[in-house]
Amino acid sequence: QVQLQESGPGLVKPSETLSLTCTVSGGSISNYYWSWIRQPPGKGLEWIGYIHYSGSTNYNPSLMSRVTISVDTSKSQFSLKLSSVTAADTAMYYCARGQSAYYSPFDYWGQGTLVTVSS
Amino acid sequence: DIQMTQSPSSLSASVEDRVTITCRASQSITSDLNWYQQKPGKAPNLLIYEASSLQSGVPSRFSGSGSGTDFTLTISSLQPEDFATYYCQQSHRIPFTFGPGTTVGIK
Repeated sequence: QVQLQESGPGLVKPSETLSLTCTVSGGSISNYYWSWIRQPPGKGLEWIGYIHYSGSTNYNPSLMSRVTISVDTSKSQFSLKLSSVTAADTAMYYCARGQSAYYSPFDYWGQGTLVTVSS
Repeated sequence: DIQMTQSPSSLSASVEDRVTITCRASQSITSDLNWYQQKPGKAPNLLIYEASSLQSGVPSRFSGSGSGTDFTLTISSLQPEDFATYYCQQSHRIPFTFGPGTTVGIK
């Protein structure tokens, strides 16, 4: 059974960089697309971007100037960096798997990690 | 961006009721529409992909239909574990976008 687990600081100061890692277990990181999705408290879902195991990426234009997603296949991990954060970036952050096509639905999700932006 | 809307935003229903949720896209997305269920404090769970295909392990009381801009999620006989929030999501064009959600509550 594929499992995804997010990790990283739960509190980030304004203007700093949010950094999260998703560790994939129970299956290969290869041949899939891996996304980050966030959900502000009490609100809906926003797709942040994806990375293919090969390293190709695609980001939401609304966040593109601040987002970097990277992958480390040797560790079965992919990571999110979001720079210059503000209170509006406070959210539950989920990592999720798409399948072999970039437009595949998200069939496995991590449990999520809450990141609060506050001084 | 493709905008997704859902109706209703919330509904109250009883166990064994038939429930229908509608999702509309701001432009044609052919059949590139997915449905997720989210329970409080949990990650979303994929129910339906490509508008009408049932994800493995999902009960057959869930079904999806539609194409183009208008889509429907139907729960044929609502069960206690189905009280949750349901989101549609388009995978037709980047950025992928979600609907605002429909919360199904107990009447």
